[in-house]
Amino acid sequence: GQSLEQPSEVTAVEGAIVQINCTYQTSGFYGLSWYQQHDGGAPTFLSYNALDGLEETGRFSSFLSRSDSYGYLLLQELQMKDSASYFCAVRDQGGKLIFGQGTELSVKP
Amino acid sequence: DTAVSQTPKYLVTQMGNDKSIKCEQNLGHDTMYWYKQDSKKFLKIMFSYNNKELIINETVPNRFSPKSPDKAHLNLHINSLELGDSAVYFCASSQGGAGNTIYFGEGSWLTVV
Repeated sequence: GQSLEQPSEVTAVEGAIVQINCTYQTSGFYGLSWYQQHDGGAPTFLSYNALDGLEETGRFSSFLSRSDSYGYLLLQELQMKDSASYFCAVRDQGGKLIFGQGTELSVKP
Repeated sequence: DTAVSQTPKYLVTQMGNDKSIKCEQNLGHDTMYWYKQDSKKFLKIMFSYNNKELIINETVPNRFSPKSPDKAHLNLHINSLELGDSAVYFCASSQGGAGNTIYFGEGSWLTVV
């Protein structure tokens, strides 16, 4: 079967660092993506890892370990506007982008 | 200019009705999708079209029928609406049949009463 596991919710304070983990099990693997969705909004693309290692984009970084079927999204210098749901997603061999259940991040003052 | 636009944004309708949601993308992408997001925020793919050809058809009741008149448009028609169809329906597009960077529309909030 195909599944992605990520924590349902995470809480952190402004200025802190938070890591959102994602483990996956899919038929075929063609990269791990992360999407952000604010309440009432559309999911928007954040990052993509096709190979092992860390990809950095400003305050956000994403990591992938294919041997462990594991990745994470790291958010640094948290801001209130980072409060949102974060989804990991993997593309399977059928070409479908499969999303995790989402992690709701609450950033407190 | 909105990259992926869908209408209507909000739709409240009675059980048994038939409704359509329209979607257009101006990104020049060749692949379009319909995703359903339920109340628990689970995003599930329903359909995918590549250059007007259906390439992904998940286990969706046949009351749902997508139509792609050209590669910039993908509409979703739903017959005999049921309470369980209440959800947010997102249209999306990407370049390439299995793109990882998918651009989503703002969503259509469907409530069936």
